[in-house]
Amino acid sequence: EAGVAQSPRYKIIEKRQSVAFWCNPISGHATLYWYQQILGQGPKLLIQFQNNGVVDDSQLPKDRFSAERLKGVDSTLKIQPAKLEDSAVYLCASSLGPSKPGTDTQYFGPGTRLTVL
Amino acid sequence: AQTVTQSQPEMSVQEAETVTLSCTYDTSENNYYLFWYKQPPSRQMILVIRQEAYKQQNATENRFSVNFQKAAKSFSLKISDSQLGDTAMYFCAFMYHSNFNKFYFGSGTKLNVKP
Repeated sequence: EAGVAQSPRYKIIEKRQSVAFWCNPISGHATLYWYQQILGQGPKLLIQFQNNGVVDDSQLPKDRFSAERLKGVDSTLKIQPAKLEDSAVYLCASSLGPSKPGTDTQYFGPGTRLTVL
Repeated sequence: AQTVTQSQPEMSVQEAETVTLSCTYDTSENNYYLFWYKQPPSRQMILVIRQEAYKQQNATENRFSVNFQKAAKSFSLKISDSQLGDTAMYFCAFMYHSNFNKFYFGSGTKLNVKP
């Protein structure tokens, strides 16, 4: 079974530039998560999709961050314009979904390391 | 609101010895799930072990076991016979189900296994 794919793995941009990250979840997984992980900290949920609908974006800085999940499969996360404090690893994860809460485990991708100069 | 606290930012253990990582959480939910995730340096996060709150028996996975104390809201991870490959960040996570699954992560414990 293929895992969660993310690209690019690394990205360096200057502040005020735009950047986009892509995630392909495990096939059949209804729920997709985007996390921001600042060095030395735990993952912080940015946005959570269930199929192609948003169920939680309470911690997403909506003035600069946006995300979409087309057709309930792949997802992109965009930052425009980037700030220095956006330097972090952006993790994508997927899970089967709430239809099976007893066995719902998140599977993580390798992450995208963003450096904003 | 749910919170997860890992009070040990960093720990060290000698190879082949046993180490315990601590995690406490706060919730008013009765049905929930707890997880330990491992994140090796520059590698992706993987699940180590999971525990359903309604189960009294502590989960075990080979050298990894948990001590789940529901009343105390404590969920510690014990690693037996530590190996160099266990060097990683370990995150404790909590999940409960409302209309959708909500996950909360602790700040992590960096474990160094020394030869």
